[in-house]
Amino acid sequence: EAQVTQNPRYLITVTGKKLTVTCSQNMNHEYMSWYRQDPGLGLRQIYYSMNVEVTDKGDVPEGYKVSRKEKRNFPLILESPSPNQTSLYFCASSETDLQETQYFGPGTRLLVL
Amino acid sequence: AQKITQTQPGMFVQEKEAVTLDCTYDTSDQSYGLFWYKQPSSGEMIFLIYQGSYDEQNATEGRYSLNFQKARKSANLVISASQLGDSAMYFCAILDSNYQLIWGAGTKLIIKP
Repeated sequence: EAQVTQNPRYLITVTGKKLTVTCSQNMNHEYMSWYRQDPGLGLRQIYYSMNVEVTDKGDVPEGYKVSRKEKRNFPLILESPSPNQTSLYFCASSETDLQETQYFGPGTRLLVL
Repeated sequence: AQKITQTQPGMFVQEKEAVTLDCTYDTSDQSYGLFWYKQPSSGEMIFLIYQGSYDEQNATEGRYSLNFQKARKSANLVISASQLGDSAMYFCAILDSNYQLIWGAGTKLIIKP
């Protein structure tokens, strides 16, 4: 089954404690992306990757890091989380040509105390 | 810079009626793509429909159709014969020339029985 998986689905942490949210897709997609969703703001792109070892900043990259060492994985790293990073995070993947649909992961709800 | 505006924060519609969700966009790109996604209360993002800027025909997918008016920069989603399961958040998004999806703030649709 074609899917994007994210882990964990729910996470409560404290300010400053490094965390990683994993994202994996099994469709051999080249393009992967991370979004955060906040009420009234819709989805905002954090980082995206056009291919292995190629990553670019989205609209709201501050406080986040990503890596793309393998095609299937695109982890999101918060080196020192802060309460304003409390949000719902989505990973997505698609073929290079984004006229194809993006496949979204189930989302990760993060609460930073 | 690209921008998406969804002017309806929320809508109530009677079951079986058609509903139109508004989306206007602002872009200087000649070539772009427009997407609609559905997010039910469970949180996942579900692709509904895509319209390319050079597509002359309005896109249709089952009960969903996109009323694309290029000169007005409008890409409204029309859902025919609404069902209770259509209750969800709906997001419009535009794909820019950097392969980034820019999202609107969303419209919460509630279908009344």
